[in-house]
Amino acid sequence: QKEVEQDPGPLSVPEGAIVSLNCTYSNSAFQYFMWYRQYSRKGPELLMYTYSSGNKEDGRFTAQVDKSSKYISLFIRDSQPSDSATYLCAMSEGAGTALIFGKGTTLSVSS
Amino acid sequence: DVKVTQSSRYLVKRTGEKVFLECVQDMDHENMFWYRQDPGLGLRLIYFSYDVKMKEKGDIPEGYSVSREKKERFSLILESASTNQTSMYLCASSNRVRQPQHFGDGTRLSIL
Repeated sequence: QKEVEQDPGPLSVPEGAIVSLNCTYSNSAFQYFMWYRQYSRKGPELLMYTYSSGNKEDGRFTAQVDKSSKYISLFIRDSQPSDSATYLCAMSEGAGTALIFGKGTTLSVSS
Repeated sequence: DVKVTQSSRYLVKRTGEKVFLECVQDMDHENMFWYRQDPGLGLRLIYFSYDVKMKEKGDIPEGYSVSREKKERFSLILESASTNQTSMYLCASSNRVRQPQHFGDGTRLSIL
């Protein structure tokens, strides 16, 4: 069983839609959870960072962590064409330790 | 803002060559990482370092080595490049006591 599972998509939505991106994981020791956005031919850019369970909101983005279900989500409200990118979830057991990544979901937002 | 700079965006080398990929960070981070990213396989950790002159193997260290002589600089070395090392290489850094990792823009390496 892979440690982190993420649906690769592609996911295509119209501008203004609400987007839900998800990852499941098997290691109950994971405590740090991140979402990265990666544009074509660029490195991953940190989008959201949460510790343990709960929600975190930043503008149009909301990250949710449900440790009991081993499930994390990223919601994008009022999606824009500039949100078209690959979204990677990542997680780790401890601060400063190596991250385990999902394989990424490719999102396309059409105007 | 954290800045992680990788010396080359694109690099073409021949099989058997010794290849050096350089990474510099400007945030005094203790931890530095090298990943490779391939379609369908995602990001895989090659090597990481928690301090100067320290190194730890990641998931796929075979065919690679690293050097960290200064805190801000972490080099990845392909000892004898092979075609299966054609990939996107990403460097990242982080603070010792908290996440997250910050990435450079990557080096797209082609081995012919």
